[in-house]
Amino acid sequence: DVKVTQSSRYLVKRTGEKVFLECVQDMDHENMFWYRQDPGLGLRLIYFSYDVKMKEKGDIPEGYSVSREKKERFSLILESASTNQTSMYLCASRLSYQPQHFGDGTRLSIL
Amino acid sequence: GQQVMQIPQYQHVQEGEDFTTYCNSSTTLSNIQWYKQRPGGHPVFLIQLVKSGEVKKQKRLTFQFGEAKKNSSLHITATQTTDVGTYFCAGPPSNTGKLIFGQGTTLQVKP
Repeated sequence: DVKVTQSSRYLVKRTGEKVFLECVQDMDHENMFWYRQDPGLGLRLIYFSYDVKMKEKGDIPEGYSVSREKKERFSLILESASTNQTSMYLCASRLSYQPQHFGDGTRLSIL
Repeated sequence: GQQVMQIPQYQHVQEGEDFTTYCNSSTTLSNIQWYKQRPGGHPVFLIQLVKSGEVKKQKRLTFQFGEAKKNSSLHITATQTTDVGTYFCAGPPSNTGKLIFGQGTTLQVKP
């Protein structure tokens, strides 16, 4: 079974902090994704990566950056956290055009 | 950009009643995927439809892909309390590696 592991289930940070969310997958998938999930808005794509050191902006990249130094790890960075970034963050990975496998999510609160 | 709209946003049914959620894309999709997210969980892949007019069944769940490949539906016959959750459709814009998710339909089933 594919395992996508997100480093924290719950995280509380303060406005202005730099925040790192980590995601690791164990199935050698080339594609990895970061979404945020908010009530009534579904899953919105922040960034995705189709290879090491490659990244592409999704629909809502503002205020975020990503890093993919190794194939199995995809990090989401909030450069200067703001209260409107309080949300559930979901990481996903997939092989080629196969279905996506999601992690358990990180519920991030920015105070 | 491409949009995927899902209706209804919420549906409450009595156990044993049927349920349908509809998904419409602003552009033609190469395929449509359906995911289910249980309360407190992460989205889990259910099925993928590829062909125009395709119909697939999983026990009490019936999935359809429209002739024009711009819409899809999920129908659950005789709902059970285990069907509770949010159902998402998702489709890839042409020639991209990302998925656009609908807003989801949250199903509540009263026993």
